Amino acid sequence: NAGVTQTPKFRILKIGQSMTLQCTQDMNHNYMYWYRQDPGMGLKLIYYSVGAGITDKGEVPNGYNVSRSTTEDFPLRLELAAPSQTSVYFCASSKGGRDEQYFGPGTRLTVT
Amino acid sequence: GEDVEQSLFLSVREGDSSVINCTYTDSSSTYLYWYKQEPGAGLQLLTYIFSNMDMKQDQRLTVLLNKKDKHLSLRIADTQTGDSAIYFCAEYIASGGYQKVTFGTGTKLQVIP
Repeated sequence: NAGVTQTPKFRILKIGQSMTLQCTQDMNHNYMYWYRQDPGMGLKLIYYSVGAGITDKGEVPNGYNVSRSTTEDFPLRLELAAPSQTSVYFCASSKGGRDEQYFGPGTRLTVT
Repeated sequence: GEDVEQSLFLSVREGDSSVINCTYTDSSSTYLYWYKQEPGAGLQLLTYIFSNMDMKQDQRLTVLLNKKDKHLSLRIADTQTGDSAIYFCAEYIASGGYQKVTFGTGTKLQVIP
């Protein structure tokens, strides 16, 4: 199993640009998550999904959108990039809500 | 409240024990976890403890849970340079159809050779 894969690894965006961060898991997990990690701030949950076709907001959803058309894929969309979205983004998946979360390697995004 | 708090930094000498502390505010937590993040990587689960347990030992790792004080700790015996990483505690809460995992701010462990 490849586990959780994310692309791209790095990206620089200009203010106002859009992009999609890709996340795929091959473990047939129901739950998938998007987090952002800022220095000294821990992980903040952006969006999560409990299964294909079901998504819900986390703590910091503003400026982001997600979709879950398949069990495997959970892309995160930034529509109008802002400097405040400069961060490291992690995708994770788990079998159930209380089960171990498996994390991807992260995407380092800079918005200038 | 559902904040999970940790001190930001801990430095220890190789061979010593490390103790990383965490406090949480939600008494309905049912599972508590410790994750490790190595540089440039995602988080990996180290260990977890059920809320009805006081202690769990797994090789060099000992987890202590004080439910009265809402305090969780991770002790690493014989700390090695490979243990240098950021350690996150996390709590799982499930109540009335609502469930979530909240991560702490992370403690950066530096092991000095």
